[in-house]
Amino acid sequence: DTGVSQNPRHKITKRGQNVTFRCDPISEHNRLYWYRQTLGQGPEFLTYFQNEAQLEKSRLLSDRFSAERPKGSFSTLEIQRTEQGDSAMYLCASTGGTETQYFGPGTRLLVL
Amino acid sequence: GENVEQHPSTLSVQEGDSAVIKCTYSDSASNYFPWYKQELGKRPQLIIDIRSNVGEKKDQRIAVTLNKTAKHFSLHITETQPEDSAVYFCAAGTSGGSYIPTFGRGTSLIVHP
Repeated sequence: DTGVSQNPRHKITKRGQNVTFRCDPISEHNRLYWYRQTLGQGPEFLTYFQNEAQLEKSRLLSDRFSAERPKGSFSTLEIQRTEQGDSAMYLCASTGGTETQYFGPGTRLLVL
Repeated sequence: GENVEQHPSTLSVQEGDSAVIKCTYSDSASNYFPWYKQELGKRPQLIIDIRSNVGEKKDQRIAVTLNKTAKHFSLHITETQPEDSAVYFCAAGTSGGSYIPTFGRGTSLIVHP
């Protein structure tokens, strides 16, 4: 499968724990985006990378969230001290030269 | 920042009917408008897009129209089929440089056989 992949697909954690998600974009796609999607809503932008540089972060993004793309390939999104309000689907998308976003299957997070 | 409103939130049609979903946007700088289809439990996938220099674009049974003056764009699906049942999202953004799309809240389309 040469599409965008995300791991894990599901994560259940207790409030206060840290979680980390991984996204592997389509090979050679230079832009990588992270979104959060809650029930009944469209994807909400969190942050994006061009190669290894993090170019934009949403003003709504808490400082408990951090993302990296150290070698310009895969990316990780970490949430520290999780809260119940962090429960959502976390989507990753990549683009290569156009605006067309190729989404991964998402990681569904449930914070108890 | 950009604000995208999408209506209706739910649309129920009979197989063979047409379906229309409408979005409005606020930022006149937006010039790229994609539509994504998300089937239950699956990832969003681009189905059609339009740029601000074009008023209409068609691809088989789907079409998108754009009215820049009124800042709205619509998705039209003709001869709907049960497999068209999904959630459809519109988005708006400015292409080039930092492209960050703003998505609508989605429309759940149900096509009854």
